[in-house]
Amino acid sequence: QVQLQESGPGLVKSSETLSLTCTVSGGSISNYYWSWIRQPPGKGLEWIGYISDIGRTNYSPSLNSRVTISEDTSKNQFSLKLTSVTAADTAVYYCARGPWFGDLLKFDYWGQGMLVTGSA
Amino acid sequence: QSVLTQPPSASGTPGQRVTISCSGSTSNIGSNTVNWYQQLPGTAPKLLSYTNNQRPSGVPDRFSASKSGTSGSLAISGLQSEDEADYYCAAWDDSLNGYVFGSGTKVTVL
Repeated sequence: QVQLQESGPGLVKSSETLSLTCTVSGGSISNYYWSWIRQPPGKGLEWIGYISDIGRTNYSPSLNSRVTISEDTSKNQFSLKLTSVTAADTAVYYCARGPWFGDLLKFDYWGQGMLVTGSA
Repeated sequence: QSVLTQPPSASGTPGQRVTISCSGSTSNIGSNTVNWYQQLPGTAPKLLSYTNNQRPSGVPDRFSASKSGTSGSLAISGLQSEDEADYYCAAWDDSLNGYVFGSGTKVTVL
């Protein structure tokens, strides 16, 4: 059973960089796409971006200029960096497997989520 | 504002059938498959349906999804108290070159 766990600081000062890591257990991160998704308190889900099975990245146009997703296959982890954080970036951040499985589109495994607060 | 539009709420009594709509456009639902996720209070979303109408292993057949043109829908039959949750549709958007979620629908069991 694949399991994902987010980790990192829960509080980030304005204008600083949010850094989160997702550790995957129960399977290798190789050969899959991995994404970050966030959810502001009381609001809906927003896809942030993914890193593909060959290390190619694709980011949401609304966050493209501030986002970097990378991976460390030796640690079976992938990471998110979001620069110039503001209070608007306060959200629960989820890591998930997907969205592409060949021609199939889905997020099948999710982490439990981690609340990150952007302080003023 | 979400690219995919859902009604903010839906409700029904136990045993009833509830349907949730998801309206998109030619760049997303019209040209790509639809996913549905269930988010119970305080938990991560769970995949409920993919490729328009396929249920992952373990998802009860009370949940059925479909797609027509630029819209998708999720039906919950035999509504149960544990179905009280937020439901999100999602699809790939070719114009945005990204994955987009619906605005979400809160289902209440009366």
